[in-house]
Amino acid sequence: GQQVMQIPQYQHVQEGEDFTTYCNSSTTLSNIQWYKQRPGGHPVFLIQLVKSGEVKKQKRLTFQFGEAKKNSSLHITATQTTDVGTYFCAGPLIYSGGYNKLIFGAGTRLAVTH
Amino acid sequence: DVKVTQSSRYLVKRTGEKVFLECVQDMDHENMFWYRQDPGLGLRLIYFSYDVKMKEKGDIPEGYSVSREKKERFSLILESASTNQTSMYLCASRLPGGNEQFFGPGTRLTVL
Repeated sequence: GQQVMQIPQYQHVQEGEDFTTYCNSSTTLSNIQWYKQRPGGHPVFLIQLVKSGEVKKQKRLTFQFGEAKKNSSLHITATQTTDVGTYFCAGPLIYSGGYNKLIFGAGTRLAVTH
Repeated sequence: DVKVTQSSRYLVKRTGEKVFLECVQDMDHENMFWYRQDPGLGLRLIYFSYDVKMKEKGDIPEGYSVSREKKERFSLILESASTNQTSMYLCASRLPGGNEQFFGPGTRLTVL
């Protein structure tokens, strides 16, 4: 079945360093979404990418969708302690009835040391 | 703002008990989802519902059932709780065909 893989599982950086997490799908995706879950919290939607090769920025966060629409990345420039959490990517699996469900990656947990 | 609420933040039950987890959303979303989250495994879909009284199995439905009698409420039922169902349970909702999922705060269930 469709799988979404994310690497690394965990990364520990010093505050001010950059961070990147990568997401790969076994199938072509119509779109990809990114969520952030703070420690003790619940996943919160960050962004959705739809177009091949799309790049979107949210302040220090840069999201990319691959040309083949099978991979994506999230890059954080100059991490801050507020960036701590687990970042999930998710892609839709579309059913014949037209509705879809999201397949989530296992997530990348980011730790930031001051 | 969309609000998704779950009946309990923490729950402790005994093996064999029937457990009900309730989820309510206030934005008239047709689609609702139940996930469980375990370390290293991410979010795994248990069941989802794309409308009232409709339900579909997700990736790990065994040992669970669901009920969707009203649009705003989606219940997850553990018919006979087992220790391997100890987990964080997250409910989510969204508009049909839509994208962004809104998650509830989660219920951390411990089965002894």
